[in-house]
Amino acid sequence: DVKVTQSSRYLVKRTGEKVFLECVQDMDHENMFWYRQDPGLGLRLIYFSYDVKMKEKGDIPEGYSVSREKKERFSLILESASTNQTSMYLCASRGGIVSNQPQHFGDGTRLSIL
Amino acid sequence: QKEVEQDPGPLSVPEGAIVSLNCTYSNSAFQYFMWYRQYSRKGPELLMYTYSSGNKEDGRFTAQVDKSSKYISLFIRDSQPSDSATYLCAMRFGGATNKLIFGTGTLLAVQP
Repeated sequence: DVKVTQSSRYLVKRTGEKVFLECVQDMDHENMFWYRQDPGLGLRLIYFSYDVKMKEKGDIPEGYSVSREKKERFSLILESASTNQTSMYLCASRGGIVSNQPQHFGDGTRLSIL
Repeated sequence: QKEVEQDPGPLSVPEGAIVSLNCTYSNSAFQYFMWYRQYSRKGPELLMYTYSSGNKEDGRFTAQVDKSSKYISLFIRDSQPSDSATYLCAMRFGGATNKLIFGTGTLLAVQP
């Protein structure tokens, strides 16, 4: 089974702080993703990475950056946290560059910005 | 208009009922269709994964894709209280694209 692990289940930070969310997958997947999930809006893609040190913007990248220094780890960074970034953050991974494989998700980090 | 539309519910059914969950979409280029189940305070878990039109069955679950109508369905037979969750449909284009388009999810409650 694919295992996607997010380092924190719940996180509370203050406005203006730099926040790091970490995600690790154990299946040697090339592709990793960060989403945020908000009521009524569903899952929205923030960034994804298709290889080490490679990244692409998703639909809502503003206020976020990412880092992928190792294949198994993908970090989401909130450069200066704001209250509108309070949300559930979900990491996912998927194998193969051209592949029929689906995305597999971690259990999420519920982030509150005060 | 959203690319993928899904009734948010909530949908409440008695135990043992047949449940029908649906999504409609606007882009005929979608080729891969998925259903995820998400329990409260957990991440989405892949339930069904289908390519193009047709039916796929897995135990009590059947996924149906009608590309001519741009409509996908998930049927749950003999529903159980443990099926109570939010069900998300998702779809993507073919080829190397990574991007998934999600519905907003339908909240299902199966009453014992």
